[in-house]
This record gives sequence, structure tokens and C-alpha cells, in this order.
Amino acid sequence: DIQMTQSPSSLSASVGDRVTIACRAGQSISNYLNWYQQKPGKAPKLLIYTASNLESGVPSRFSGSGSGTDFTLTISSLQPEDFAAYYCQQSYNAPFTFGQGTRLDIK
Amino acid sequence: EVQLVESGGGLVQPGQSLRLPCAASGFTFRGYAMNWFRQAPGKGLEWVAFIRNRDHGGTADYAASVRGRFTISRDDSNSILYLEMSSLQAEDTAVYYCSRVKGGYCSGDRCYGGWFDAWGQGALVTVSS
Repeated sequence: DIQMTQSPSSLSASVGDRVTIACRAGQSISNYLNWYQQKPGKAPKLLIYTASNLESGVPSRFSGSGSGTDFTLTISSLQPEDFAAYYCQQSYNAPFTFGQGTRLDIK
Repeated sequence: EVQLVESGGGLVQPGQSLRLPCAASGFTFRGYAMNWFRQAPGKGLEWVAFIRNRDHGGTADYAASVRGRFTISRDDSNSILYLEMSSLQAEDTAVYYCSRVKGGYCSGDRCYGGWFDAWGQGALVTVSS
């Protein structure tokens, strides 16, 4: 199985801050990396697919980059609705593993 | 509008079985691969099972933790995805989500590169005596 490791596990930030979340794969996964946002009690929501493609309807303050084993999700200017958990997920091989998640809280 | 609606969750005793349906609407269900995921209380997301569309054989893959106990299936005529769960254990307690696979490729037994663009609201399964 491909292990996915996110950092940090939790993060406190303020509205307007620029935030970066890192995700590292245990082996090269090309660009088969997706990012999801999850709010409490809700289903995950796709933000970024294949490392850098913005899902339709997702604000442009979200962006993704990386390839191989190292990836990042960046939120350029945090908005109140962005405080949530974020997960990376690889689709290079089944099982389609997730990172452990990053909880983004209001400072 | 793409919609996925899970049902069938509830409280079951260890060793019992349960079937979760996921009703799909707003898209051509038979054309898409589908997944089940789960999330234990306070924990992260875990992929459970994947089923290819008919064009790619309609075959399935499973997480090691459920292989041999869970079965994913699909009824393309009625646009319903199923997860049949047997020999349930306390560790299976979770919210179960169905999701649609978009993009990706299948080559032989391997499907890869897709992303999960639509999710249901989730169905809570609690396994306890």
C-alpha cells in the first residue's frame, strides 16, 4: 500500500493568511494526487484533482502543485468558510489511500 | 444535478450483516466506476471498495480490511450501488459514503488516475452488542 503523509496535522491561521499543506507519498505516484475538504458532519468535497487541476466551482484561492512524491495545497487568502479538514489522496494504485488529514482552525 | 443518496445504515450486532444502497441520479450511472469509503468516528477517510463500469468488466477491488466480508455491486438498470457487509465487527463502525469516479484509466486489472467528484451524504453503521 502507498502511504500518504500530510503535514502539519493541525494548523491555526487567521482570515487572510496564506496557508500551505504538504503531502508526501511513500513512492512516486506521478501526478495522481487529489485534495478534498471536509467540514464537520459533511461529506468530503473535491478541491483539486491530478495534483493541480481546480475542480469546477472551487474558488481560485485554492491551488495545488507537485509531482512524484511531494505535493502541496495552497490557500492564498483564507476565508471564514475555509476552516475545515483537508485530505490528500492518491489514485495511482488501489488501495486508494488518504493522508491522515490536516485540521485548519481559526487562530 | 448529480446526486448520490445512501440509506440502510443502523445499529447491528457483531457478526451480523447489512446492505447499504446508494441511489444515483443526475448522470449516466452505468458509465462510471464507483466507490465506497468510510470514516470511523473522529478518524480519517478510508477507501473500502471500487467497482468498474461494465465497459471495463464491472469487476471490483477491496481494501484488505474488508476483503472476503464486504461485496460491492451495482444495478445499472436502476442506478443503484450496493455494499453488502457481512461478519461485521466493532471496527467497522463508521459513516459509509458512496462516491463517483471521474477521469482515470483502466489497463488490464489496474484502474488508476481517477478522482472522486461526487459523494453521498453518508450512512452511519454502528456495530455493537
